[in-house]
Amino acid sequence: DAGVTQSPTHLIKTRGQQVTLRCSPKSGHDTVSWYQQALGQGPQFIFQYYEEEERQRGNFPDRFSGHQFPNYSSELNVNALLLGDSALYLCASGRRTQYFGPGTRLLVL
Amino acid sequence: DAKTTQPPSMDCAEGRAANLPCNHSTISGNEYVYWYRQIHSQGPQYIIHGLKNNETNEMASLIITEDRKSSTLILPHATLRDTAVYYCIVSYSYNTDKLIFGTGTRLQVFP
Repeated sequence: DAGVTQSPTHLIKTRGQQVTLRCSPKSGHDTVSWYQQALGQGPQFIFQYYEEEERQRGNFPDRFSGHQFPNYSSELNVNALLLGDSALYLCASGRRTQYFGPGTRLLVL
Repeated sequence: DAKTTQPPSMDCAEGRAANLPCNHSTISGNEYVYWYRQIHSQGPQYIIHGLKNNETNEMASLIITEDRKSSTLILPHATLRDTAVYYCIVSYSYNTDKLIFGTGTRLQVFP
């Protein structure tokens, strides 16, 4: 049984660019949450998707958007990248207990 | 803001029990206590959770005080691979709730 998978593992972008990160949930899970973890800090909740709709959102600007597909996989899109967007982006699946993927490390230059 | 308070760091000798405390004095009646750990640069790993009874699984034990205002995660025989940042989180479990992470406790297991 595959756990949560994310792609790519690493990514380098420049300021102003756009990025798309992908997540496949654990088998049988229909809910996906995204978190941002800056260096030295705990993960911060971005948003959560269930039934292809955004159900909860943290304190992140509209530059951060997402999507969930009918197979429950999800994408996180970030537009107009800033240096401060450099972080580890984590995807978690599950309703009651959330299981995390390995993350995508994004570096914005 | 995180609803939990944890010591920033702890040390433990390999083979000994590691007891990681967590204060959550404002926890509400239907909030669970969750523990995750994060080994350097990896995604957080779920360890255990509980409501008011003590819980045990293959990884750890969770002891919750009777008033539910604090809890302790116990790793019975710590190994070097248990070196990680441990996060204590309170969250609703009956419905999907966002996890609010604090700064956690950095546990260093030494030989």
